[in-house]
Amino acid sequence: QVQLQESGPGLLKPSQTLSLTCTVSGVSISSGGYYWSWIRKHPGKGLEWIGNILHSGSTNYNPSLKSRVTISVDTSENHFSLNLTSVTAADTAVYYCARYSGTYVGDYFDYWGQGTLVTVSS
Amino acid sequence: SSELTQDPAMSVALGQTVRITCQGDSLSSFYASWYQQKPGQAPILVIYGKNYRPSGIPDRFSGSTSGYSASLTITGAQAEDEADYYCNSRDSSGDHLVFGGGTKLTVL
Repeated sequence: QVQLQESGPGLLKPSQTLSLTCTVSGVSISSGGYYWSWIRKHPGKGLEWIGNILHSGSTNYNPSLKSRVTISVDTSENHFSLNLTSVTAADTAVYYCARYSGTYVGDYFDYWGQGTLVTVSS
Repeated sequence: SSELTQDPAMSVALGQTVRITCQGDSLSSFYASWYQQKPGQAPILVIYGKNYRPSGIPDRFSGSTSGYSASLTITGAQAEDEADYYCNSRDSSGDHLVFGGGTKLTVL
């Protein structure tokens, strides 16, 4: 059974760097075939895709966040991570990690973590 | 602003049918996937591709696509279907992913 679990600080001050880790169980990231993703949901608003990473380390980021985002993968630990620099209150959100599958019948996020709330406040 | 457009809110009477739509230029080239999200919970996948349901999703959920629009239909809505629904696909460049703004569905 595939499971994803986010971890990291829940409270940051403006200008700090947000760092979250998503630990994957039930499947090996290094087996390939999937994109590993970060998505966030601002309070009272919709979902926002942050970016993806492949097991190889190849990344793809939301253009609106690209200058501040780094996603990395550690296949030996079977986890991937999100770094978001220079945070402001506008980065307050629930952050989700998810697995993204691209198949010949369609693309989709099939497994999600439970989400972790990150609050940016002075 | 999102490149995928959804109606912010819809309502449906218990047992009736509702169609939630998602519009965007990229939908003429790429399929949408649909997610249900209830308060305090992670989204769950309900429809992907042409019209595929993951295991465990009731068959009252179905999907369709036409031109620049994708639709999620709930036939015989139940009280437990009250939730936010999001479409997802690629942006107009095809290089990045984007979510629709979401539709809050109320079951009356």
